[in-house]
Amino acid sequence: KQEVTQIPAALSVPEGENLVLNCSFTDSAIYNLQWFRQDPGKGLTSLLLIQSSQREQTSGRLNASLDKSSGRSTLYIAASQPGDSATYLCAVKDNAGNMLTFGGGTRLMVKP
Amino acid sequence: ETGVTQSPTHLIKTRGQQVTLRCSSQSGHNTVSWYQQALGQGPQFIFQYYREEENGRGNFPPRFSGLQFPNYSSELNVNALELDDSALYLCASSLLESPSGHTFGSGTRLTVV
Repeated sequence: KQEVTQIPAALSVPEGENLVLNCSFTDSAIYNLQWFRQDPGKGLTSLLLIQSSQREQTSGRLNASLDKSSGRSTLYIAASQPGDSATYLCAVKDNAGNMLTFGGGTRLMVKP
Repeated sequence: ETGVTQSPTHLIKTRGQQVTLRCSSQSGHNTVSWYQQALGQGPQFIFQYYREEENGRGNFPPRFSGLQFPNYSSELNVNALELDDSALYLCASSLLESPSGHTFGSGTRLTVV
């Protein structure tokens, strides 16, 4: 059974810092991995999608990497801004099904 | 292209009652999945529908049931509501066996009192 863990659970940084959020998964037989952003009480906004054959994806100040063999993904946020404050969730889609398995999320606060 | 829309946005029900949540999938998608997100936790998979049939189910009791319609919209029904059913219910649409990701709606906040 796939299990996804995100570390840290919460993070508070001053504006302008570069930061890394971590995601680990137990079963490396994944189809893809998706990073989402969630604002309080809201739905999920997809940030980046990495296929199992890819090593990384970039969008603006965001860069996500994937190391399938070690069961890890990282989300790098450059030059953080207060508007980046949200919960960040990673989710893996296994080869065996179309469902997503989520981590518990990292709650990020960027202070002005 | 239209995104995923869910209704209602908020709902308050009494323990023991029944509730129906609705979801319209993104244009071009043929699969709808439902997730339950308790406060402070990641979403948990409830079930998925493809071609109007259940195509996978998580660890949820039978009182959680669903439907998918020919236009790929979907309903989530929960019978005999319990206090622990209070959560944010998220609907996601996708294209089965496609490398594209899942698109989520804004969710329905259900409170059971």
